[in-house]
Amino acid sequence: AQSVAQPEDQVNVAEGNPLTVKCTYSVSGNPYLFWYVQYPNRGLQFLLKYITGDNLVKGSYGFEAEFNKSQTSFHLKKPSALVSDSALYFCAVRPGYSSASKIIFGSGTRLSIRP
Amino acid sequence: NAGVTQTPKFQVLKTGQSMTLQCAQDMNHEYMSWYRQDPGMGLRLIHYSVGAGITDQGEVPNGYNVSRSTTEDFPLRLLSAAPSQTSVYFCASSYSSGQGPDTQYFGPGTRLTVL
Repeated sequence: AQSVAQPEDQVNVAEGNPLTVKCTYSVSGNPYLFWYVQYPNRGLQFLLKYITGDNLVKGSYGFEAEFNKSQTSFHLKKPSALVSDSALYFCAVRPGYSSASKIIFGSGTRLSIRP
Repeated sequence: NAGVTQTPKFQVLKTGQSMTLQCAQDMNHEYMSWYRQDPGMGLRLIHYSVGAGITDQGEVPNGYNVSRSTTEDFPLRLLSAAPSQTSVYFCASSYSSGQGPDTQYFGPGTRLTVL
């Protein structure tokens, strides 16, 4: 079965420290991989995506993500966390076969940045 | 561009009532979808559409109907509301890559309570 896992419900980081939010997946083919962020009482906002090419993808607000095919992971990273990064983060995957018509979302990771 | 708009923002229903959640986009996106968000469960796909006149079921379609008569609009109908349908509903749209979605743009959500 196609699936996406975000193994941590919550990640706590001190402001200024690096952060990592983990995502692993199990889908067919070469997937499309996405990260979205949700601030309180708002819809999801696109952060970045990987389709092909360089394994390190840079996105909005200083975030980046590294695609690792052998470990089937797509972890979200930022070198220096800000309090304003506190939000709910979702990893999402579209299977890689050409007729794939759905995107599968992980359960979300709440990121909390303490001053 | 207004992006993706949803109405209403909040709704309270009694068990057995029916209603329609409205969704519209002005980006000429082929792909539209409806998700529900429940605590700890991420986003679950209810129904989706790859173009006007074409709809299909997602992960949790029971109790919901959709139609896509125009590219812009994708309403979600609750046929007979149940307390289990208490949730936050998000509509999203995207360009299509192949037969499926690429980066999705989300509406602000509708918070539905069924008593």
